[in-house]
Order: sequence, then structure tokens, then C-alpha cells
Amino acid sequence: AQSVSQHNHHVILSEAASLELGCNYSYGGTVNLFWYVQYPGQHLQLLLKYFSGDPLVKGIKGFEAEFIKSKFSFNLRKPSVQWSDTAEYFCAVIGKHNNDMRFGAGTRLTVKP
Amino acid sequence: NAGVTQTPKFRVLKTGQSMTLLCAQDMNHEYMYWYRQDPGMGLRLIHYSVGEGTTAKGEVPDGYNVSRLKKQNFLLGLESAAPSQTSVYFCASSYGRVGYTFGSGTRLTVV
Repeated sequence: AQSVSQHNHHVILSEAASLELGCNYSYGGTVNLFWYVQYPGQHLQLLLKYFSGDPLVKGIKGFEAEFIKSKFSFNLRKPSVQWSDTAEYFCAVIGKHNNDMRFGAGTRLTVKP
Repeated sequence: NAGVTQTPKFRVLKTGQSMTLLCAQDMNHEYMYWYRQDPGMGLRLIHYSVGEGTTAKGEVPDGYNVSRLKKQNFLLGLESAAPSQTSVYFCASSYGRVGYTFGSGTRLTVV
């Protein structure tokens, strides 16, 4: 089965700083990749997804992610974070021949105003 | 509003008690999932279903049972609750294998 690892457990940034959250997956075949965000006390919401084509994917709220197949990575980026981006971010993967999505452990982002 | 509804939202159980968590979706999705979320461990898949009458084990199925008697409902049962099952439980559904819609979660405490 596929698995996901997120390198950073907790990231603290000041407003306007740039963000990059790491995500690596393990799977021997074609995958679909996702980033979800969970604001405090809420359920997960989809930020962006990669199925095929352009490896640079743009999502909501100014987020983007780049799929690098050779590195099995799907890092999340944002040029300038806001206080409202404070949340937990989860990378997820589903293999082409699987029926279940697997999540990373999550990265908690704290943005200081 | 269309979506995934979980009941109850909060529950406290004593060790050894049983309970059932209900997940209902009104989007006619084929796939449904139960995850548990624990600090530092992300979401881990407990069980899932790819259609009415079918269920399959995920990463952490022990201590849980599920049933999908109706397409719109996916029940998660704890037969004999243990403190290790204290967690936040999320249900999700999807039309195909991707595009999950999550419920708002059930916070379960086992004392």
C-alpha cells in the first residue's frame, strides 16, 4: 500500500514569509496526490490535487504544489503567508490501483501576525 | 446542504462499553471511509467501503467493525471500547476513488 511522510511537524512563520511544506510518498506506480487543510476545530478541506499533466498545480488561497516524480515528492508552497493560514496541512496519496487514500502525519503551521 | 453528516459529534464512553457512529451522505457516493485522527499521526484509515454491502479493512481495523447496508450510510462500531480508541473520527465519501468529502468529525473519549 502507499504511504506518505511529511518532514515538518510544526512550522512557525511571520506574516508575508514564504512557505514550503515537504511531502514524500512511497508507491510503485501511478498516484494521485492531494493537499488538505484543517483549520482549528474543523474538518479537512481540499487545497489542491494532482492527477496528471502539468506537475505544477495551483490550488485555492494562493497555494501551489509541485509534483517531482523522480523524487517522489509533492511539496506545498505559498509565496506569502497570512495569519489566516494558521492550520494543519495534510498531504495524501492514492495509488492508481488502490481504493483508499493514505495521509501523512500532518504539519502544523502557525503564522504570527 | 448536501454533504457528509456524522452523529454524534461528541461522546464519552467507559471502557468496555459499545457504541455505533453513524455516517450519512446524500451525494449518492459509492465510496465511504472511516478514519481516526490522532495527534502527530495524521489520519489513519480504519475501514472503507466501495459500495453498498461491501467493506474492507484499512490500516488500523482492529477493535472496529463496519456495515454498509444502505448506500448512503456507513456505520462504525466499537464492540468493547478501550482508552486507546480515544480519538477524533472522520467519515468521508467519494464518487470515485478521489474527491473526498469529509464530515465534521466525532470526538470520542474512552475513560
